[in-house]
Amino acid sequence: DAGVIQSPRHEVTEMGQEVTLRCKPISGHDYLFWYRQTMMRGLELLIYFNNNVPIDDSGMPEDRFSAKMPNASFSTLKIQPSEPRDSAVYFCASSFSRGGTEAFFGQGTRLTVV
Amino acid sequence: GENVEQHPSTLSVQEGDSAVIKCTYSDSASNYFPWYKQELGKRPQLIIDIRSNVGEKKDQRIAVTLNKTAKHFSLHITETQPEDSAVYFCAAPKYGNKLVFGAGTILRVKS
Repeated sequence: DAGVIQSPRHEVTEMGQEVTLRCKPISGHDYLFWYRQTMMRGLELLIYFNNNVPIDDSGMPEDRFSAKMPNASFSTLKIQPSEPRDSAVYFCASSFSRGGTEAFFGQGTRLTVV
Repeated sequence: GENVEQHPSTLSVQEGDSAVIKCTYSDSASNYFPWYKQELGKRPQLIIDIRSNVGEKKDQRIAVTLNKTAKHFSLHITETQPEDSAVYFCAAPKYGNKLVFGAGTILRVKS
């Protein structure tokens, strides 16, 4: 398995534009997490899914953020409209419940909103 | 909810010395405690973890200790090397699989 795959690796967009981040979890993993990393706030959990169902979205900063997982192999995190304060590295991670809770991270998407 | 406090926020040691990073957690139901290492510009990667039924686990130069009564766990790195320089994160789960991370420790190993 190639691990958790995220795209794009880098995204630069103008304020007000819609941004979509993509994630392919490790095959067979039943948990998927979206984290945001900034210097000020560290690694924040935004939302996580179990078997494609959103379980906890309490970390989503506001209504401009939304996430979906239409099937076991794909998830998206959308920001609409984007703002400069959304600039961060966004990580997707997946884990397998029966194996414990080790989370495998993707390479991340570095988002810059100008 | 689960709070994970990590300290120190930065740690500078001489090559060959030991480094210790500590974390405390609040949810007594937590039963799994991983440590992640993140090098500059890269993803966090698991380096060691411990489950609540053991008090200590070692893997070569790194070890983790757990005190469930006091709700704290620590990462120990012995004989530090320059390549150990990175940011280290502890984590603890909430509701089984929701990993909450500490704020991170920047470790700098001076040669």
